[in-house]
Amino acid sequence: QSALTQPASVSGSPGQSITISCTGTSSDVGGYNYVSWYQQHPGKAPKLMIYDVSNRPSGVSNRFSGSKSGNTASLTISGLQAEDEADYYCSSYTSSSTPMGVFGGGTKLTVL
Amino acid sequence: QVQLVQSGAEVKKPGASVKVSCKASGYTFTSYGISWVRQAPGQGLEWMGWISAYNGNTNYAQKLQGRVTMTTDTSTSTAYMELRSLRSDDTAVYYCASGPLVAPYYFDYWGQGTLVTVSS
Repeated sequence: QSALTQPASVSGSPGQSITISCTGTSSDVGGYNYVSWYQQHPGKAPKLMIYDVSNRPSGVSNRFSGSKSGNTASLTISGLQAEDEADYYCSSYTSSSTPMGVFGGGTKLTVL
Repeated sequence: QVQLVQSGAEVKKPGASVKVSCKASGYTFTSYGISWVRQAPGQGLEWMGWISAYNGNTNYAQKLQGRVTMTTDTSTSTAYMELRSLRSDDTAVYYCASGPLVAPYYFDYWGQGTLVTVSS
């Protein structure tokens, strides 16, 4: 199963909004509403930020939002803050051969 | 609160096996699935496989088929991941993560990670 495609890096200034894309195929992102997003700070375990395309777990700021169109999912962070600087990974469920998960390559977010 | 506590770091020689544990607390263990995810140094996340803590059903990533086995012990709310025939490119931090019982749709709580180093 090939990894999902994310930009290697994005950047923005405090207060701005940024969007990270995650492109897959009709066998994963486009075929199911099971896209999730994870934030990972250096040396830490990943943290779930969005699940089922656009749902936020309890405790996650409403500055984080998710969406999907066709085979591409997106994570938008509004009102950028310094603590948002981290790596972000998308993931999708896929069952092209057997039920499994697949991750994107990750995007490094820099807050300027 | 939900916690997943993993076993400590391991150093193994090529060809050996490693077994990492993941002890869950704060929720009903058999109502969720457990996925294993690894991250090589400086690299991204890689999904390894998933096990239902309810009935032990498993799904593994194709590239690891035949080398990985995931199990659970419901009496101690602990999940295990064993990887055999270790190679240098298996050096990584290994994470367990809980998620829906039905399938690996997402991963909501994560363990702290276990560093496995494969070196001669």
